[in-house]
Amino acid sequence: GAGVSQSPRYKVTKRGQDVALRCDPISGHVSLYWYRQALGQGPEFLTYFNYEAQQDKSGLPNDRFSAERPEGSISTLTIQRTEQRDSAMYRCASSRVLAGTGELFFGEGSRLTVL
Amino acid sequence: SQQGEEDPQALSIQEGENATMNCSYKTSINNLQWYRQNSGRGLVHLILIRSNEREKHSGRLRVTLDTSKKSSSLLITASRAADTASYFCPPLGGYNKLIFGAGTRLAVHP
Repeated sequence: GAGVSQSPRYKVTKRGQDVALRCDPISGHVSLYWYRQALGQGPEFLTYFNYEAQQDKSGLPNDRFSAERPEGSISTLTIQRTEQRDSAMYRCASSRVLAGTGELFFGEGSRLTVL
Repeated sequence: SQQGEEDPQALSIQEGENATMNCSYKTSINNLQWYRQNSGRGLVHLILIRSNEREKHSGRLRVTLDTSKKSSSLLITASRAADTASYFCPPLGGYNKLIFGAGTRLAVHP
């Protein structure tokens, strides 16, 4: 696609439900990042992939959070048993080169609200 | 810390004036990037400066890098209302991930 596409753009869920956020990177981009951003703050690193390999997941807050990118393209960030503190904007970014060497292209984000 | 720390936290100027934002970091880097974010929307890459470069220009943007002082600056000349945004400077070292700070919030008034 022309840009990084994230879906859904808005998700409202009840506490305790699982949610899956999808990221479709720019075609051919090899690295993919997930960030979380609270209002008025900078993006907080969660995890990243080079191709299908998850290289670093040190930013995932706890084991309720997981991410995958099975075919090296689309990625899914899953949050199990959501809590109100999980409410935030979740942003995905991709890069045409291996992580660490080039610019990131960000999607518009998925805004998660946990009631 | 692996992140860039932007200074000042907030900056308010009139249209046509120049805006200067500073960035400091603590680790050795391969490159440093500047990003802009308008009104909570997606982040947009502005410029990348490598560790062996001292200055780089892109349109009305001028970025400097001083690796001895672990600092960078972003100058926006002849600012416009559309430049109103938050600006971030994540450095990139051997850990291969961009860590963002809180950013500088720039307000350009007509």
